[in-house]
Amino acid sequence: KAGVTQTPRYLIKTRGQQVTLSCSPISGHRSVSWYQQTPGQGLQFLFEYFSETQRNKGNFPGRFSGRQFSNSRSEMNVSTLELGDSALYLCASSPGSQAVQETQYFGPGTRLLVL
Amino acid sequence: GQSLEQPSEVTAVEGAIVQINCTYQTSGFYGLSWYQQHDGGAPTFLSYNALDGLEETGRFSSFLSRSDSYGYLLLQELQMKDSASYFCAVRGLSGGYQKVTFGTGTKLQVIP
Repeated sequence: KAGVTQTPRYLIKTRGQQVTLSCSPISGHRSVSWYQQTPGQGLQFLFEYFSETQRNKGNFPGRFSGRQFSNSRSEMNVSTLELGDSALYLCASSPGSQAVQETQYFGPGTRLLVL
Repeated sequence: GQSLEQPSEVTAVEGAIVQINCTYQTSGFYGLSWYQQHDGGAPTFLSYNALDGLEETGRFSSFLSRSDSYGYLLLQELQMKDSASYFCAVRGLSGGYQKVTFGTGTKLQVIP
């Protein structure tokens, strides 16, 4: 079974631009979560989607948004990029419908550099 | 809010046992998870504790005490490949939503 895939793997943008990242979960998984990882702040939870609905979210500004499609694929969008948005963005999928399902499978991440 | 504390670095000898502690503060606790991340790689799920006690998975075990807001990850028969960062993460409630908060990670170095 293929793992979680994320595209693109690397991205360079300039301040003020917007970016869309994509995540394809493991086949059959219905929950997708997004995380931001930086050396200074560590791993931070962005949001979680299940069956096309945002089920949970972290404490990020409204510039960060996401969505999930009927095939469980998810996209994350960051508008008006700031230098501090440079990070590794990780997507994780999990199979169950229970919000507390913690067996998350992470993708390789998208490394975003904002200049 | 939610916060977690874990040691920043631990060094242990190959073949030995090491324990990585994690204390947390959260509202509406759901569970404590542990992840392993090698340099340049993605986190890998290791274990999840929702109830008090010890969970064992091969060489790795995880313990939770909800009354003490404390957990630990125990790695036995350490191997060189266990050198990595280990994160604890708690799922709790924040602003009406469930939220997962990660600790800052413990960098484990296994030496011969």
